[in-house]
Amino acid sequence: GNSVTQMEGPVTLSEEAFLTINCTYTATGYPSLFWYVQYPGEGLQLLLKATKADDKGSNKGFEATYRKETTSFHLEKGSVQVSDSAVYFCALKGYQKVTFGTGTKLQVIP
Amino acid sequence: EAGVAQSPRYKIIEKRQSVAFWCNPISGHATLYWYQQILGQGPKLLIQFQNNGVVDDSQLPKDRFSAERLKGVDSTLKIQPAKLEDSAVYLCASSSQLVNRTSGTIYFGEGSWLTVV
Repeated sequence: GNSVTQMEGPVTLSEEAFLTINCTYTATGYPSLFWYVQYPGEGLQLLLKATKADDKGSNKGFEATYRKETTSFHLEKGSVQVSDSAVYFCALKGYQKVTFGTGTKLQVIP
Repeated sequence: EAGVAQSPRYKIIEKRQSVAFWCNPISGHATLYWYQQILGQGPKLLIQFQNNGVVDDSQLPKDRFSAERLKGVDSTLKIQPAKLEDSAVYLCASSSQLVNRTSGTIYFGEGSWLTVV
C-alpha cells in the first residue's frame, strides 16, 4: 500500500535559518502530494500541493517539488520565522485514500 | 467560501459515556472524511463517505464507533461507550473530488477535541 515517511522531529531552528523537512513516499500510480501545517490547538491547514511530477508547490515562502525519480517531496523555506513554529504533515492522495506522515514539529527560536 | 464546520470544539466525558460529533462540509463537496488524531501522531482515517455512501470504514472500531451521512451533506460520528484511549482530536475533512481521482485538495475543520477521563 501507499506510505509516507517524514523526518523525525522536533526540528529547532533560529529565526531566519534555512528549513528543510524531508518527505519520501511509496505509491502506485500517480498520486498527488501535499504539505499540511497544524498550529497548536487548530486543525490541519493546506500549505501547498503538487499534482504531477516536477510540479512545484509554493505558499508563504514555503516550496516543495514533486520528484518522481527520488519519490520525494521535501519542504523548504529560505528564512523561517517564529510564527512558522508548528507541526508539518506530508500527505499523499492516491485513487482511494489519503495517507499522512507522522508529522514533524518545527520550533523556531528568536 | 465557508470552511468545514465542526462541533463541539471541546468535550470532556467519563469512560463508558457516549459522545457525538457533528460535521458540515464545504458546500458541494461529495467526499467527507473523519480522522482520529492522537496527540503526537498523524491523522488516522476512520471513515470515508462519497455522498451518503461509505467508501472505506476499515479502520473504524465498529463495536463502539458509528458514523452516518444522511442526505449526503452533514455527518455525525458517535462513540459509545467511550474508552480512555479514545482521547484524541476528531477531524472532519471534505473534498470536491470523487474518490477515484488523485487530484483534489482535502480541507479540514478545526477539529473536535475529546478527553475521556
